[in-house]
Amino acid sequence: DADVTQTPRNRITKTGKRIMLECSQTKGHDRMYWYRQDPGLGLRLIYYSFDVKDINKGEISDGYSVSRQAQAKFSLSLESAIPNQTALYFCATSDPPGRYTYNEQFFGPGTRLTVL
Amino acid sequence: QKEVEQNSGPLSVPEGAIASLNCTYSDRVSQSFFWYRQYSGKSPELIMSIYSNGDKEDGRFTAQLNKASQYVSLLIRDSQPSDSATYLCAVPKLSGGYNKLIFGAGTRLAVHP
Repeated sequence: DADVTQTPRNRITKTGKRIMLECSQTKGHDRMYWYRQDPGLGLRLIYYSFDVKDINKGEISDGYSVSRQAQAKFSLSLESAIPNQTALYFCATSDPPGRYTYNEQFFGPGTRLTVL
Repeated sequence: QKEVEQNSGPLSVPEGAIASLNCTYSDRVSQSFFWYRQYSGKSPELIMSIYSNGDKEDGRFTAQLNKASQYVSLLIRDSQPSDSATYLCAVPKLSGGYNKLIFGAGTRLAVHP
């Protein structure tokens, strides 16, 4: 079974609809992240959470909200979807960094979201 | 200046050749550097990490780090068509008391038979 799972894998919706993307992990990591990826722009951080009570905005949080329901679950919501939120969305997890190293992030399979 | 810069490519190399992928970063205090490979429509996967100046080899992959020049590269020897993918350079950045991973936009590599 995959360590980081995302649902749904594909979603087509209409402008103004509320959408929730879900992420679950079995890696036991405290840290979870939501990214979006657009062609030519790479991965951009939307929100990140270092534990259940610690949620922080990333570089492009406007129009998004998140919920950390448990250590293993981190959901991303689009309250009122708009076409420029059409993108590939990835969830990722990691351990905290070590004293001299930064730990690898493990990515889920992604959700392709299309907003018409 | 972008925090992590890569040529978008595509970088086209013949099978069996050496592919050289480059990345520059702006934060002089960065200590960790990562290369992720991403196949089209798939999620990124880590293939190399490097923390010290010099070279680090893992199979056909070699990461090279030059902190003075703020430059990290990835060499792929004996390139195979299965190496065709986008390669993302990533560098942690301390912001707001937390380290966050900053990704470059990626270089697309095409290995042709």
